[in-house]
Amino acid sequence: AQSVAQPEDQVNVAEGNPLTVKCTYSVSGNPYLFWYVQYPNRGLQFLLKYITGDNLVKGSYGFEAEFNKSQTSFHLKKPSALVSDSALYFCAVRLTFSGNTPLVFGKGTRLSVIA
Amino acid sequence: NAGVTQTPKFQVLKTGQSMTLQCAQDMNHNSMYWYRQDPGMGLRLIYYSASEGTTDKGEVPNGYNVSRLNKREFSLRLESAAPSQTSVYFCASTSGTEYINEQFFGPGTRLTVL
Repeated sequence: AQSVAQPEDQVNVAEGNPLTVKCTYSVSGNPYLFWYVQYPNRGLQFLLKYITGDNLVKGSYGFEAEFNKSQTSFHLKKPSALVSDSALYFCAVRLTFSGNTPLVFGKGTRLSVIA
Repeated sequence: NAGVTQTPKFQVLKTGQSMTLQCAQDMNHNSMYWYRQDPGMGLRLIYYSASEGTTDKGEVPNGYNVSRLNKREFSLRLESAAPSQTSVYFCASTSGTEYINEQFFGPGTRLTVL
């Protein structure tokens, strides 16, 4: 069965420093991987996805993520954090071909960027 | 283009009452989903509809029913609400080849069951 883990409930980083939000996955085939962000009292917004090709994926708001097949990871990164990046971040996974199987979401990581 | 809309935004129910959460999308998407979000639990899928006329159970379907009324609308019904159903409910939709396309989420419905 496919699953995704976000090992950190909370990540704190100073404004201007690089940030990393971790995600590992478990699937039996090749995965499709996604990152979403949720600001307070809002629905989730899509940030970026890995489908195939280049392991480094660039997305919205200056975020990027690196797909690492050997480590089954898809960590979200940003070179210089902003206070406005403070939000709840979700990693999600789906098999490359899985019929109607929907996304499986991680439990989320709360990012706090401190000025 | 409103995207995904949900009504109501807030609701308070007493145990045993029933209600229907409404969701509509104007993006001509095939697939629609209902999730619940609880602290420390992330998003859990309740039901989904891969296309008009089909619905399937997700991870936590007990106590809920759904109706894919047409391509635009996907409603979630609580027949007899329980305090364990206090949560924030999100509707989402996906276009075309849903395996590779991102989901678009509504703003959520915050439900409290007393």
